[in-house]
Amino acid sequence: QVQLQESGPGLVKPSETLSLTCAVSDGSVSSGGYYWSWIRQSPGKGLEWIGYIYYSGNTNYNPSLKSRVTISVDTSKNQFSLRLSSVTAADTAVYYCARGSFRFGADYWGQGTLVTVSS
Amino acid sequence: QSVLTQPPSVSAAPGQKVTISCSGSSSNIENNYVSWYQHVPGTAPKLLIYENNKRPSGIPDRFSGSKSGTSATLGITGLQTGDEADYYCGTWDSSLTVNWVFGGGTKLTVL
Repeated sequence: QVQLQESGPGLVKPSETLSLTCAVSDGSVSSGGYYWSWIRQSPGKGLEWIGYIYYSGNTNYNPSLKSRVTISVDTSKNQFSLRLSSVTAADTAVYYCARGSFRFGADYWGQGTLVTVSS
Repeated sequence: QSVLTQPPSVSAAPGQKVTISCSGSSSNIENNYVSWYQHVPGTAPKLLIYENNKRPSGIPDRFSGSKSGTSATLGITGLQTGDEADYYCGTWDSSLTVNWVFGGGTKLTVL
């Protein structure tokens, strides 16, 4: 069973860059057919897809966040990462990493990590 | 505003049946697989349905999914208090690039 675990600072100052990492175990980020994704849920709101990185390294981002988002992968460590720049209070959310595919949707999720943007 | 439209809330009594709709378009639901998720705040969302109507191992057959055209539906029978959660539909959208989209979520209350 694939397991994902998010890690990173729980508090980020406004205008700075949010950085999170998702460690993958019992599965490989190099496996074909999977889209390694970041998803968030802001307080009182629904799930919002941030973006994904394909095993080949191709990325795609939510158009509303595209100018501030970078997702990268480190195959040697079997993990992928999220960077969100110029954060504001509106970026306060629980951030989830997940494995996606065309057939299964998002079948495995991390437990989520709360990131608060505050000075 | 979400690309996929769900009712904000539904409710029913224990033992009853409920359905949750998810409306989209030809760029998403009509031409891609739909999946459904159960989310209890503070926990990881759980995949309930994939490929429109298939259940992962361990998901009881009280949960069912269907799709017709640009809409999809999640059905839950024999409601239990433990089913109280937020439910989301999700699919791929290929209107410009290939993006993942979620519905706005539906809060299920078991009265």
